[in-house]
Amino acid sequence: GAVVSQHPSRVICKSGTSVKIECRSLDFQATTMFWYRQFPKKSLMLMATSNEGSKATYEQGVEKDKFLINHASLTLSTLTVTSAHPEDSSFYICSAILAGVVKEQFFGPGTRLTVL
Amino acid sequence: DAKTTQPPSMDCAEGRAANLPCNHSTISGNEYVYWYRQIHSQGPQYIIHGLKNNETNEMASLIITEDRKSSTLILPHATLRDTAVYYCIVRKGEGNAGNMLTFGGGTRLMVKP
Repeated sequence: GAVVSQHPSRVICKSGTSVKIECRSLDFQATTMFWYRQFPKKSLMLMATSNEGSKATYEQGVEKDKFLINHASLTLSTLTVTSAHPEDSSFYICSAILAGVVKEQFFGPGTRLTVL
Repeated sequence: DAKTTQPPSMDCAEGRAANLPCNHSTISGNEYVYWYRQIHSQGPQYIIHGLKNNETNEMASLIITEDRKSSTLILPHATLRDTAVYYCIVRKGEGNAGNMLTFGGGTRLMVKP
């Protein structure tokens, strides 16, 4: 299947700093990418839908000024957690849909963010 | 999208078949049943999907009841590496790039030696 990568795989940062997470589709072009957040022992919660070349669509309750999403190309979307706080510590997962041929979403391996 | 109900956890002996049930009694005619799994600290992995016919691939089989109100994912010979959380998701329309997946609680399958 198609491969989606995330970088970094884990990051520890101080409270108040910003962290950028990259999501790349390695062998296909993705017109749509999704960002999820997952707390320990909980299910994935969709944060936002990212379409290449346009503004992301955020789910209710997700602050767009805090979680900045940029989908600058068909193979890259970035999520920036601005002014991170300990409650932002979570497992962040992206997924991508293959442009033009869709049966499934391809998920990245996830990024574990710990804010001290 | 229709809501799904799954048991929170199940155990299975290694080498035996794992049968994971899912109820989706409010499913509508154009909604597909998708199964994903998530191994600890990894991203979800697609397993299989179907509309009304039973489906089989190299990973699993999907049995959908005639009324489509429930389905069962079958792992024919479970291995320790199949230990994961399995999510049953109902989603509108095969091939629609706009549809996101709504994850419920899933079933935590523990395969034991």
